Amino acid sequence: RKEVEQDPGPFNVPEGATVAFNCTYSNSASQSFFWYRQDCRKEPKLLMSVYSSGNEDGRFTAQLNRASQYISLLIRDSKLSDSATYLCVVNPDGQNFVFGPGTRLSVLP
Amino acid sequence: SAVISQKPSRDICQRGTSLTIQCQVDSQVTMMFWYRQQPGQSLTLIATANQGSEATYESGFVIDKFPISRPNLTFSTLTVSNMSPEDSSIYLCSVVWTSGATDEQFFGPGTRLTVL
Repeated sequence: RKEVEQDPGPFNVPEGATVAFNCTYSNSASQSFFWYRQDCRKEPKLLMSVYSSGNEDGRFTAQLNRASQYISLLIRDSKLSDSATYLCVVNPDGQNFVFGPGTRLSVLP
Repeated sequence: SAVISQKPSRDICQRGTSLTIQCQVDSQVTMMFWYRQQPGQSLTLIATANQGSEATYESGFVIDKFPISRPNLTFSTLTVSNMSPEDSSIYLCSVVWTSGATDEQFFGPGTRLTVL
């Protein structure tokens, strides 16, 4: 089993839709979790850290489920500018960051 | 967060040659990494650049092919040696920055390498 798994997509959604991505991780001792966004031909950029209690930043909500070893990202009211690849990142040991393969999102007009 | 710059931003090289990529950070950071991202793929960690000692390489990557220097806490270089077309990729430098109680990772803009 891979350390971090994501559905590669693509997810094609209309503007204004709500879309959710899940990411599963294999190391139950993992300590911290993140969602990154990567635009085409650009470097990954931190979107949000994922806290145990869940967190929200505007239209974006991240949740952590330790029992089932997955994290989720919910995007409400999708904008065209949300089109990107969303990378799930897990820090299993406090030192290394393991990247998932990414989920591609296309928001359509 | 840290501001990271990389040079060159892109290059086209002949097979058999070597290219050195520089990464400069505007603040001292303990942890610095080099990644590779091939077209349509996710990031693959090449190595951790250790200040004052040899880099720690991931499986499949060796020092002879990817020598790394880390002379201080703000600078590192990655050399891609004896290049072949399979080395065509984006090479990314990243650092870990502590924000509150969480270590977060930030990336440089990347170096786009094409080997002919």
